[in-house]
Amino acid sequence: AQSVTQLDSQVPVFEEAPVELRCNYSSSVSVYLFWYVQYPNQGLQLLLKYLSGSTLVKSINGFEAEFNKSQTSFHLRKPSVHISDTAEYFCAVSLFGNEKLTFGTGTRLTIIP
Amino acid sequence: GAVVSQHPSRVICKSGTSVKIECRSLDFQATTMFWYRQFPKQSLMLMATSNEGSKATYEQGVEKDKFLINHASLTLSTLTVTSAHPEDSSFYICSARRSSGMYEQYFGPGTRLTVT
Repeated sequence: AQSVTQLDSQVPVFEEAPVELRCNYSSSVSVYLFWYVQYPNQGLQLLLKYLSGSTLVKSINGFEAEFNKSQTSFHLRKPSVHISDTAEYFCAVSLFGNEKLTFGTGTRLTIIP
Repeated sequence: GAVVSQHPSRVICKSGTSVKIECRSLDFQATTMFWYRQFPKQSLMLMATSNEGSKATYEQGVEKDKFLINHASLTLSTLTVTSAHPEDSSFYICSARRSSGMYEQYFGPGTRLTVT
């Protein structure tokens, strides 16, 4: 069975500083990878996904994540954060051909003005 | 587009009673909906997969007689927690996949259930 580890439960970052949210997964077969964001009092929204092709994927609001198969990682990065990025971020994985998602425990990103 | 709603957002019920939670896809058709449960400071755990017009598929360890799922239309799935007990108190989240979608799930805002 697959699993997802998000080592950092909380990450405080100063506004306009860079951030990296870590995600590692374990699976014996190929996977699809996702980052979801949950803003306060809202449902989860897909931030970005890796299905195939380029290992670097980007979102419209400046986040990017790189699939690293050898390190089984899919870390999320942003070069300069904004107050509006304050949210909970969930990494998730699904197996090829299987739409079920397995989630990590989430990382709460807090932006300090 | 791709909005999913849940109702109610919060519910408090007495031990032994049943409570129904609705999940609706507002602007798309969803052949598949998923029900998750989230405990504080823990990840979302998939409870069951609900397909329109057929019986739900439950994950291992989830009691299907306790958590009744009905996916009666392409826009509505319901989760009924029967004979609720305090240990059923949790945050229940649904998601929906477009009929033509590819691995992307759209999530509802969740329902906080408290059983007293």
